[in-house]
This record gives sequence, structure tokens and C-alpha cells, in this order.
Amino acid sequence: AQSVSQHNHHVILSEAASLELGCNYSYGGTVNLFWYVQYPGQHLQLLLKYFSGDPLVKGIKGFEAEFIKSKFSFNLRKPSVQWSDTAEYFCAVSTNTGNQFYFGTGTSLTVIP
Amino acid sequence: DAGVTQSPTHLIKTRGQQVTLRCSPKSGHDTVSWYQQALGQGPQFIFQYYEEEERQRGNFPDRFSGHQFPNYSSELNVNALLLGDSALYLCASSPDWGRANYGYTFGSGTRLTVV
Repeated sequence: AQSVSQHNHHVILSEAASLELGCNYSYGGTVNLFWYVQYPGQHLQLLLKYFSGDPLVKGIKGFEAEFIKSKFSFNLRKPSVQWSDTAEYFCAVSTNTGNQFYFGTGTSLTVIP
Repeated sequence: DAGVTQSPTHLIKTRGQQVTLRCSPKSGHDTVSWYQQALGQGPQFIFQYYEEEERQRGNFPDRFSGHQFPNYSSELNVNALLLGDSALYLCASSPDWGRANYGYTFGSGTRLTVV
């Protein structure tokens, strides 16, 4: 079965620090990749997505992610975090054989002013 | 505004009871999926509805059932509640069942506590 691993469970950074959150998936076929963010008390919001093409994807709020097929990875990056980036971040994968998403367990990011 | 509306926002039930959660999809969306998010976990797929039929189901027991209405809104029913059913239940909608794997819009969820 497909699975998604997020190795960083809790990350604490100071403002202006760089961020990289890891995401690995297990599936041998074609995948669609997503990063969602959940701010405290709010719904899941799409940060960025990858379907095909350029493996470096840019999303909202200065986030980007790189798909490395050989490593089954889709890591999220931001060069300089802000206090407002404090949230839970979820990596998700869908396949072309079904409509369900497989989510990782999430990474809690706390940014200290 | 998420565009997807769920009700109620919070609910407390006793073990063995039954519960119904409701979802109105974003305008223009016809496909509704339900996810369970336990504390400290990522969302897990329960099932998906399109054209008033369950189209796909995750690894959840038959105690979990659903319905979709002609206006695309949906209900999630859970019978014989267990303590382990305590979770945030998320509804997600997408505009096209054939391309639902391309992305969802999520609601804010219903927090169910079973005591």
C-alpha cells in the first residue's frame, strides 16, 4: 500500500531561518504530490502541488518544493520563515489509479519571533 | 472562507451511540470525500461520493456509512461509536470526479469526541 513519511515531527525555528521539511513516499507508479498547511484553528489549505513537468514547484507564501523521483521525495523549502508560518504541514500523495489522498503524519512548525 | 461547510463544528457522543455529520461542498464541486484525522496523525481516507454513489472506500469498517444528495451535499454516519472514533472529521470537495486526485478543497472539520 502507498505510504507517506514525514520525518520531522516538530520543528522550531527563529524568524528568518531557512526551512526544509522532508517528505518521502512509497509508490512505484505515477504520483501527484501536494503540500497542505493547517494554521491553528483553520482548515487545510493547499500550499503547492506537482503533477508533471518542472520538478521544482513554487507555491504560495514563498514556499517551494522539489520532486526527486529517484529518491521518492518531495521536500518543502522556504528560504526565510516568518512567525506567521507557524502551522502544521502535511505532505500528501495521490495516484492515477484512485482518487484518495495518502497523507503523512504532519510536521508541526513553530517560528519564534 | 473554506468554501466547504461542515456541521456541527463540535460534537460529544457516548459510546454505542450513532452520529451524523454534514457537509456542503464548494460551489461548483460535485465530488465529496471524507477523511478522519486522529490526534497527531494525518488525515485518513474514509470514502468518496460522486453522483450519489460511493465510488471509493478506504480501510474503515461498515459502521462508517455515507450519503450524497442531489445537491451534492453529503452526510457521514457512524454507528456504534467507539472511543477510538474520536477525531476530527474532514470533508473535502473537488470539481470533477475524474480528476479528484488533482486536489481538494477542505472544510474546517467536525471535532467528534466519544466518551
